[in-house]
Amino acid sequence: DAGVIQSPRHEVTEMGQEVTLRCKPISGHNSLFWYRQTMMRGLELLIYFNNNVPIDDSGMPEDRFSAKMPNASFSTLKIQPSEPRDSAVYFCASTKTSGGGNEQFFGPGTRLTVL
Amino acid sequence: DAKTTQPPSMDCAEGRAANLPCNHSTISGNEYVYWYRQIHSQGPQYIIHGLKNNETNEMASLIITEDRKSSTLILPHATLRDTAVYYCIVRVAVGGNKLVFGAGTILRVKS
Repeated sequence: DAGVIQSPRHEVTEMGQEVTLRCKPISGHNSLFWYRQTMMRGLELLIYFNNNVPIDDSGMPEDRFSAKMPNASFSTLKIQPSEPRDSAVYFCASTKTSGGGNEQFFGPGTRLTVL
Repeated sequence: DAKTTQPPSMDCAEGRAANLPCNHSTISGNEYVYWYRQIHSQGPQYIIHGLKNNETNEMASLIITEDRKSSTLILPHATLRDTAVYYCIVRVAVGGNKLVFGAGTILRVKS
């Protein structure tokens, strides 16, 4: 299994531009999570989906952030317009919620720099 | 989810056991203790979890006190590659539940 796949791995953009981060969860997993990590705030959950349905988006900072999961194998996190304070590493994670310990498997992250 | 308290940092000699403590005095009866770690520049990695019994897997052992108010993660023979931030998280093991990460413990394994 290839694990959770995220793209791009690095993104540098200018303030005001739209940014789209992509995630492919592990096949067979039915929950997907988007996290953000900064030095100041640590690792924080932005949003998570169960069976492609958003369950908790209370961590989404503001309306500039949106996330979608059109099918079980793909999710996007979009920032429009981007701001320098959005610079962070964004992680996607997935898990299988039926049976097992519900351990989450994380992708390698996307390092976003907004100039 | 119950709050956890961990020391900010610890050092361990290579080849020795690393014992990482975690306090979770407000844990509820249906909450599990999870441990993850994050090696520099990588995504967090699941290590182990338990409810009330001690658990062991190929990576580590988890010792939970009888009152469940604290636990210890044990890496039996620490290597330089175990240098990472270790997070202790308490949550119910219900499908799809989110993880709430604290600051964790920075473990430095030294040769």
